Amino acid sequence: AQSVTQPDIHITVSEGASLELRCNYSYGATPYLFWYVQSPGQGLQLLLKYFSGDTLVQGIKGFEAEFKRSQSSFNLRKPSVHWSDAAEYFCAVGALGIQGAQKLVFGQGTRLTINP
Amino acid sequence: ETGVTQTPRHLVMGMTNKKSLKCEQHLGHNAMYWYKQSAKKPLELMFVYNFKEQTENNSVPSRFSPECPNSSHLFLHLHTLQPEDSALYLCASSLPLTGGDTQYFGPGTRLTVL
Repeated sequence: AQSVTQPDIHITVSEGASLELRCNYSYGATPYLFWYVQSPGQGLQLLLKYFSGDTLVQGIKGFEAEFKRSQSSFNLRKPSVHWSDAAEYFCAVGALGIQGAQKLVFGQGTRLTINP
Repeated sequence: ETGVTQTPRHLVMGMTNKKSLKCEQHLGHNAMYWYKQSAKKPLELMFVYNFKEQTENNSVPSRFSPECPNSSHLFLHLHTLQPEDSALYLCASSLPLTGGDTQYFGPGTRLTVL
């Protein structure tokens, strides 16, 4: 069975600073990997995904993530954070379920706080 | 309406009540999902429907009863809930492909069981 670990429960960075959120996964086959963001009281919004191909993927809002098979990692990065990036970030790994529907397993989430 | 919508956004119910959560997707997808998000716990997949057929039940108690009348609508019928069932219930939809698919989430229903 697949699993996801997000080692950092809470991270605080200053506005304009760079950001890296860590994600490690466990899955026996080639994983489908996702990063979602959740603002307070809201649902999850997809930031980016990796299915295959280029291991550096670009997403919305200036985020990128790099898939490293040797480290079983899919870390999320942003060169310069904005106050509006304060939210909860979830990494997820997907495996094909019955009839192709994806079964997602999520990490615990990392809460990002931005200092002005 | 676009994307995935959920109603109601907030629900307070007693343990003896019966209520239903509704999810509707306007994306032309054919798979729909229910997730439970509790404080301090990762999102938990509850049910998966594909082309109206239930394909996953993640050992969910029978007091939660899903219904998927068509590929655009998904319901979660609730009865005799417990206070520990208080959580954010998220619906998602996707278009499964052989190369993987992406789930799009609704805003959730915040459920409080008294």
